[in-house]
Amino acid sequence: EAQVTQNPRYLITVTGKKLTVTCSQNMNHEYMSWYRQDPGLGLRQIYYSMNVEVTDKGDVPEGYKVSRKEKRNFPLILESPSPNQTSLYFCASSRTGYSTDTQYFGPGTRLTVL
Amino acid sequence: GQQLNQSPQSMFIQEGEDVSMNCTSSSIFNTWLWYKQDPGEGPVLLIALYKAGELTSNGRLTAQFGITRKDSFLNISASIPSDVGIYFCAGHRGGNNNDMRFGAGTRLTVKP
Repeated sequence: EAQVTQNPRYLITVTGKKLTVTCSQNMNHEYMSWYRQDPGLGLRQIYYSMNVEVTDKGDVPEGYKVSRKEKRNFPLILESPSPNQTSLYFCASSRTGYSTDTQYFGPGTRLTVL
Repeated sequence: GQQLNQSPQSMFIQEGEDVSMNCTSSSIFNTWLWYKQDPGEGPVLLIALYKAGELTSNGRLTAQFGITRKDSFLNISASIPSDVGIYFCAGHRGGNNNDMRFGAGTRLTVKP
């Protein structure tokens, strides 16, 4: 089944403790992206990747890192999480990064930083 | 980046009623998209609109790309309980997907 998977689905952590949220897609998509969803704000893009080894900042990249060493994986790294990073995070992928290609979203990771 | 203005924020309707929601922007977009998010899931694309004035249907859903390219609406006819969820609009300026902006969502509740 074609899908985007994220792990973990739920995470409660404490300020400053490094964490990684994994994202994997099995559709051989070139483009992958991370969003955060906050009440009243919709989805905002954190980082995106047009292809392997190519990553760039979205609208809200501060406090986050990503890497794209393989086509299928695009982990989101929070080196020193803070409470304002409490949010619902979505990974997405599409065949290419262009508007005519449908983005497929993962199921989301709900992160709470205490 | 500038987000889209989506309204209403929430709707409580009776099963069988029609629903209308819209999205506006101060900027022009070349593509408008409507997504639905079920509880505990990621957004799923419902309808994509690529041309100003375009009217597209997907079952009971109809969406239009505004003539000015600054707005779009989504209608759901004869709502059913499984229509419950959050509906998001998204505007795309063309080019790659980092030029996409999302509305804040419309939370729809359908009473049986």
